[in-house]
Amino acid sequence: GAGVSQSPSNKVTEKGKDVELRCDPISGHTALYWYRQRLGQGLEFLIYFQGNSAPDKSGLPSDRFSAERTGESVSTLTIQRTQQEDSAVYLCASSLLTSEQYFGPGTRLTVT
Amino acid sequence: GNSVTQMEGPVTLSEEAFLTINCTYTATGYPSLFWYVQYPGEGLQLLLKATKADDKGSNKGFEATYRKETTSFHLEKGSVQVSDSAVYFCALKGGYQKVTFGTGTKLQVIP
Repeated sequence: GAGVSQSPSNKVTEKGKDVELRCDPISGHTALYWYRQRLGQGLEFLIYFQGNSAPDKSGLPSDRFSAERTGESVSTLTIQRTQQEDSAVYLCASSLLTSEQYFGPGTRLTVT
Repeated sequence: GNSVTQMEGPVTLSEEAFLTINCTYTATGYPSLFWYVQYPGEGLQLLLKATKADDKGSNKGFEATYRKETTSFHLEKGSVQVSDSAVYFCALKGGYQKVTFGTGTKLQVIP
């Protein structure tokens, strides 16, 4: 079946603009995660959804970052007033509640 | 809370050398343990997993055994290849909690 998909694959934006990143999880996966990975770095946890609720938003770096999930399916990560330090690959993963995660290919965000 | 500690890299080995990447964890209860791999320019993919104590996960010649007594899940391979060059992440998941990742260990295998 289809894996986790993310769009766009690449996004270049000017500093100060807002961006929306989309994640389509594997059908039936109730858990959804967003991570940030800076060049050559590890995974930085951002937010975790169970269904449409986010029990853990502890990783969102500032109030410029927000995420939502609807229909226990698609999720959107929004970054407002982007800064150069937001440049990174944003990874989405989904899973059944107690199983391993499946990762999408990521969205490479470049803020100029 | 849960945490994962893995050895810092980069690790550089010659082809056919023996590989060990150490991973230890702190968690309540009985988490599931995972190793993920990220090849250059690619996304993360699951390499192997173990869901209970003394389980051994294995895939592509890699192995890791869930050791509850030492809270460890070390990754091993008997003979590495150049194509194994990648970043390896140890991770755990406790029940309905979010997955916790280690910081990653970069492996470089030279011919």
